Amino acid sequence: KAGVTQTPRYLIKTRGQQVTLSCSPISGHRSVSWYQQTPGQGLQFLFEYFSETQRNKGNFPGRFSGRQFSNSRSEMNVSTLELGDSALYLCASSSGIVRGGVEQYFGPGTRLTVT
Amino acid sequence: SQQGEEDPQALSIQEGENATMNCSYKTSINNLQWYRQNSGRGLVHLILIRSNEREKHSGRLRVTLDTSKKSSSLLITASRAADTASYFCATDAGQGAQKLVFGQGTRLTINP
Repeated sequence: KAGVTQTPRYLIKTRGQQVTLSCSPISGHRSVSWYQQTPGQGLQFLFEYFSETQRNKGNFPGRFSGRQFSNSRSEMNVSTLELGDSALYLCASSSGIVRGGVEQYFGPGTRLTVT
Repeated sequence: SQQGEEDPQALSIQEGENATMNCSYKTSINNLQWYRQNSGRGLVHLILIRSNEREKHSGRLRVTLDTSKKSSSLLITASRAADTASYFCATDAGQGAQKLVFGQGTRLTINP
């Protein structure tokens, strides 16, 4: 099976702009989660989508939003970019329905730099 | 905010030695997972241990879980240069969503 893919891999944006990141999960996986990784805050959960519904959301401002399509592909949008949004954004997929939990498979990430 | 802490923050050992990393967490969990990350790339899943399990093995990896102490450890035996990476523990509270809460990680360096 092909792994989780994320596009683009690198992105440079200016403060105030908006950005959309894309994630294609492993075939058959219905859950897609997004994480932000920064040197200062580490890895932080943004949100998770399962069958096109947001099931959980982390403590991020409303400028961060996402959606999931019927083919399980997901997009994440950040509006009105700030310098502090510079980070590695990781997407993870899983089957999402295993009792006791299931491992998540991460993509290579999108490195966003805000100038 | 981080669920827990990892200890040590950095570890440097010689190739062939064993490496042990510890993770503590604060709240009840459904499972605990360990991941590896090489230099700012994506995370690779290593082991998942459920709250009713005490120990799991996978190749050179051994993970223990003590829910009474809210702690876990990852042991890598016979380390190799390729094991150089950051290792993260992540807890899953299992509240109906795939939400992992990560520790700050341990930076492991294997010296040849």
